[in-house]
Amino acid sequence: DIQMTQSPSSLSASEGDRVTITCRTSQNIRGFLNWYHQKPGKVPKLLIYATSKLQSGVPSRFSGSGSATDFTLTISSLQPEDFGTYYCQQSYSIPRTFGQGTKVEIK
Amino acid sequence: EVQLVESGGGLVQPGGSLRLSCAASGFIVSTNYMTWIRQAPGKGLEWVSLIYSNGSTYYADSVKGRFTISRDNSKNTLYLQMNGLRAEDTAVYYCARERAVAEIAYWGQGALVTVSS
Repeated sequence: DIQMTQSPSSLSASEGDRVTITCRTSQNIRGFLNWYHQKPGKVPKLLIYATSKLQSGVPSRFSGSGSATDFTLTISSLQPEDFGTYYCQQSYSIPRTFGQGTKVEIK
Repeated sequence: EVQLVESGGGLVQPGGSLRLSCAASGFIVSTNYMTWIRQAPGKGLEWVSLIYSNGSTYYADSVKGRFTISRDNSKNTLYLQMNGLRAEDTAVYYCARERAVAEIAYWGQGALVTVSS
């Protein structure tokens, strides 16, 4: 199984800050890396797929990058509605696996 | 519009069984890769099971031999039969559809399963 290591596990940042979340996989997943955002009590929402493709309707302040085993989600200017937990997921192989999540708090 | 509506959640005793249903609209279940993902209270997302369009099925080790994923093409509905339930199976179960590179763009609202005596 492919192991996912997401960091940090939590962060607190101010509105307008640039925020970076990283995800490392235990083997090369050839770009099959997706990012989701979940607010408390809500359904997860797809933000980025295939490393860097922005899901329709997602604000352009979100971007993804990376390759092989190292991936990054960047929020260029943090907004109040961006609080919640962010998860990476590999869709290269079965079992699909998720990172443990990064909880983002707005200062 | 793609919609996924789960039903069948509830309280069950350890060792009991439950079947979750996921009624789909706006697309055909049998021509897509469909998956179940769960989230224990206060925890992260955990992949549970997947069914390919060709009918091949896959399971997380934690549920293998106890859970069965299936679909009814005539009802355009996905199922998760859960047997031998344990306390650690307590979670919100999401039905979801994978898209082209297996990203999950479509999620149901979730069904809460509580395993407790």
